[in-house]
Amino acid sequence: AQSVAQPEDQVNVAEGNPLTVKCTYSVSGNPYLFWYVQYPNRGLQFLLKYITGDNLVKGSYGFEAEFNKSQTSFHLKKPSALVSDSALYFCAVRDMTGGYNKLIFGAGTRLAVHP
Amino acid sequence: ETGVTQTPRHLVMGMTNKKSLKCEQHLGHNAMYWYKQSAKKPLELMFVYSLEERVENNSVPSRFSPECPNSSHLFLHLHTLQPEDSALYLCASSSWGGWDEQFFGPGTRLTVL
Repeated sequence: AQSVAQPEDQVNVAEGNPLTVKCTYSVSGNPYLFWYVQYPNRGLQFLLKYITGDNLVKGSYGFEAEFNKSQTSFHLKKPSALVSDSALYFCAVRDMTGGYNKLIFGAGTRLAVHP
Repeated sequence: ETGVTQTPRHLVMGMTNKKSLKCEQHLGHNAMYWYKQSAKKPLELMFVYSLEERVENNSVPSRFSPECPNSSHLFLHLHTLQPEDSALYLCASSSWGGWDEQFFGPGTRLTVL
């Protein structure tokens, strides 16, 4: 079965510093990976996805993610964090078990950016 | 969050009430999903609909009853809920079988007294 793991419940970073939110995956076959962000009392917003191609994927709001096949990781990164980036971040993997498309989500990582 | 709307945004109900959550998508998608998000738990996929046909029910209790009358609308009918059903209920839509991401609505915050 497909799965993702987000090893950190919370990540703290100072504004202006680079940030990394970690995600590792376990899949059979090619991985199709996604990052979403959730602000308080809101739904999930899509940030970026990896399907194939370049290992460095660029997404919304200045975020990017690096796909690493040997380490089975898909970490989310941003060169300079903003206080407004504080939110809950979810990594997800596409699962086609049963012949239909669904996403399997990690438990989420809360990012806190301090002024 | 544009493209997928959910109503109501907040709902408080007693355990003996019957209520319904509504989701509507304006993106031309043909798959719709219900998720439950509880505090300190991963997102739980409840139901998946493709082309208005239910294709997955993740062992959800029968007090939750989904309905998908067409590809743009999805309902979750609730009856005799328990306090532990209090959560954020999220609706999502996507293209079926493609590589596209799912688009989420803002959710309905449900409190069961």
